[in-house]
Amino acid sequence: NAGVMQNPRHLVRRRGQEARLRCSPMKGHSHVYWYRQLPEEGLKFMVYLQKENIIDESGMPKERFSAEFPKEGPSILRIQQVVRGDSAAYFCASSPTAQRNQPQHFGDGTRLSIL
Amino acid sequence: GDSVTQMEGPVTLSEEAFLTINCTYTATGYPSLFWYVQYPGEGLQLLLKATKADDKGSNKGFEATYRKETTSFHLEKGSVQVSDSAVYFCALSEATGNQFYFGTGTSLTVIP
Repeated sequence: NAGVMQNPRHLVRRRGQEARLRCSPMKGHSHVYWYRQLPEEGLKFMVYLQKENIIDESGMPKERFSAEFPKEGPSILRIQQVVRGDSAAYFCASSPTAQRNQPQHFGDGTRLSIL
Repeated sequence: GDSVTQMEGPVTLSEEAFLTINCTYTATGYPSLFWYVQYPGEGLQLLLKATKADDKGSNKGFEATYRKETTSFHLEKGSVQVSDSAVYFCALSEATGNQFYFGTGTSLTVIP
């Protein structure tokens, strides 16, 4: 069984460019979460989505960041006009339900480097 | 708001030593508690969980008990191995809502 698949594993962008990070949840999972991990820090929640809906985006920066989870295809985290401070590891997680006792299953992350 | 505080690292132990990584939490209601492990270059893997007070989660020789009276969920292992070297994250899932809250992680290195 395939786990949570994220691509690319590594992404390099120059300041001002756009970064697109993709996440395919585990089979049967319709709940997707995005987190950001800065060096030497824990994971910070960004956004929670179900198919075609953003449920909670309280952790998303107000500008330049957006996320979607279309009916078909992977979830996308999009960062426009990237800046050096966007350099981080971005992790996607999925779960089959939104029940609080369900663990989230993580992908291997996308490591974004901004030149 | 809800939060998790984890023992700061890094922690270095000799093989077969006893491990404790402290984790305390602040939450309203009754959260679920988790320990995740992250190996270099990889994502987080669920290690164990506990969903109510006095539950003990266990896996691969690791254990943690959900202590509501002390709001703690300390991770323990009786005899660590070199292969246990990784970063360990304590996390809680809030009683209402959708968020997971993670500690800052504790890096463990086990030397032969």
